[in-house]
Amino acid sequence: EAQVTQNPRYLITVTGKKLTVTCSQNMNHEYMSWYRQDPGLGLRQIYYSMNVEVTDKGDVPEGYKVSRKEKRNFPLILESPSPNQTSLYFCASSLRGSRNTGELFFGEGSRLTVL
Amino acid sequence: ILNVEQSPQSLHVQEGDSTNFTCSFPSSNFYALHWYRWETAKSPEALFVMTLNGDEKKKGRISATLNTKEGYSYLYIKGSQPEDSATYLCAPESGGSYIPTFGRGTSLIVHP
Repeated sequence: EAQVTQNPRYLITVTGKKLTVTCSQNMNHEYMSWYRQDPGLGLRQIYYSMNVEVTDKGDVPEGYKVSRKEKRNFPLILESPSPNQTSLYFCASSLRGSRNTGELFFGEGSRLTVL
Repeated sequence: ILNVEQSPQSLHVQEGDSTNFTCSFPSSNFYALHWYRWETAKSPEALFVMTLNGDEKKKGRISATLNTKEGYSYLYIKGSQPEDSATYLCAPESGGSYIPTFGRGTSLIVHP
């Protein structure tokens, strides 16, 4: 089954404790992206990756890191989480070549609470 | 960052009503427009991707139109059903970045 898998789905942590949210897709998609969703603000892009070893900042990258060492995986790293990073996070992937408008496939979301 | 406006922010309709909502975006350097449907406690799912001015797409009772010259897209739902209750997101792409930017969505609630 084609899917995007995120883990963990739910996490409560404390300020400053490093954490990683994993994202994996099995569709051989080049493009992967992380979003956060906050009430009243819609989906905001954190980072995206056009292909292996190619990552770029989205609209709200501060406080996050990513890596793309393999095509299928795109982990989101919070080196020192803070309460303002409490949010619902979505990973998405797409079959996008250069200038290809592929639809995004989303993971199920990871709800993160930072105390 | 593209300026994407969706209206109305929320909408309550009765079962059987037809409804529509709007996505506005910068018309300059337009490349594509995505619509997504996002049910509570689920992930957003793609409805349509449109690229050409005048495009019309249809999926069951849901259809969408695109006007790239004036920078808007309409989403129509004919004969709304309770299962249509969701947030509908639009996400235009500009030719500069080719990255979709999401609007804040229109929350639709269909009452039986």
